[in-house]
Amino acid sequence: GEDVEQSLFLSVREGDSSVINCTYTDSSSTYLYWYKQEPGAGLQLLTYIFSNMDMKQDQRLTVLLNKKDKHLSLRIADTQTGDSAIYFCAESGGYQKVTFGTGTKLQVIP
Amino acid sequence: NAGVMQNPRHLVRRRGQEARLRCSPMKGHSHVYWYRQLPEEGLKFMVYLQKENIIDESGMPKERFSAEFPKEGPSILRIQQVVRGDSAAYFCASSQNTGDNQPQHFGDGTRLSIL
Repeated sequence: GEDVEQSLFLSVREGDSSVINCTYTDSSSTYLYWYKQEPGAGLQLLTYIFSNMDMKQDQRLTVLLNKKDKHLSLRIADTQTGDSAIYFCAESGGYQKVTFGTGTKLQVIP
Repeated sequence: NAGVMQNPRHLVRRRGQEARLRCSPMKGHSHVYWYRQLPEEGLKFMVYLQKENIIDESGMPKERFSAEFPKEGPSILRIQQVVRGDSAAYFCASSQNTGDNQPQHFGDGTRLSIL
C-alpha cells in the first residue's frame, strides 16, 4: 500500500531556512501536498504540486519534487516563530484518497 | 466564503454511548472525506462519500462506525457504543470533484474524548 515517511522533528533559528523532507512509495501518485497544523487546529493546505512538475514556488515556500527518487521537500525561507507547527506531507492519486505522513514538528528558536 | 464546517469542535462521551460528528462541505463541493488522527500521529483515511453514495470505506472499522452524506444536510460520521480507543480528532475534508487541480480542504476537526 501507499506509505509516506518524514522525519519527526526539525529545529531552526529564526531567519534561517527550514527544509522538511518526505519520501513516498506510491509511483502512481498524482498530487503531493504540504499541510500545516498548529496546536488544536485543523489542517491548512500550504501548497501542492502535480507529479509532472519538479518545482513550485509560492512566496517563502519552495517545493521540490524528485519523482525518480520519490522525494519531496518543503523549503521555508526566512523562517519565523509563527511557522512553528507540524507539517504534513501527503500524496494522492486517482480519486484523491490522501495518504499522510506522520508529520514533522518544526520548532523555530527566536 | 465559508470553509469546511465541522461541529461540534469538542465532544465528550461515556463508554457505550453514541457519537455523531457533522461536516458541512465548502459551498459547491460534492465530495466529502473523513479522516481520523490519533494522538501524535498523522491522519488516516476512513471514508469517501459523494451525495447519497459511499464511494470508498476501506479505512472504516467494520463495526460500530458508519457514515452518510444525504441529499440535503451535512455529512454525518456516527460511532456507536464508543470505547476509549475511539478518542481522537476526526477531520472532514471536501473537494469540488475528482478532476485536476482539486485539492481537499479540511475543517478544524472534532475532538472526541471518551470517558
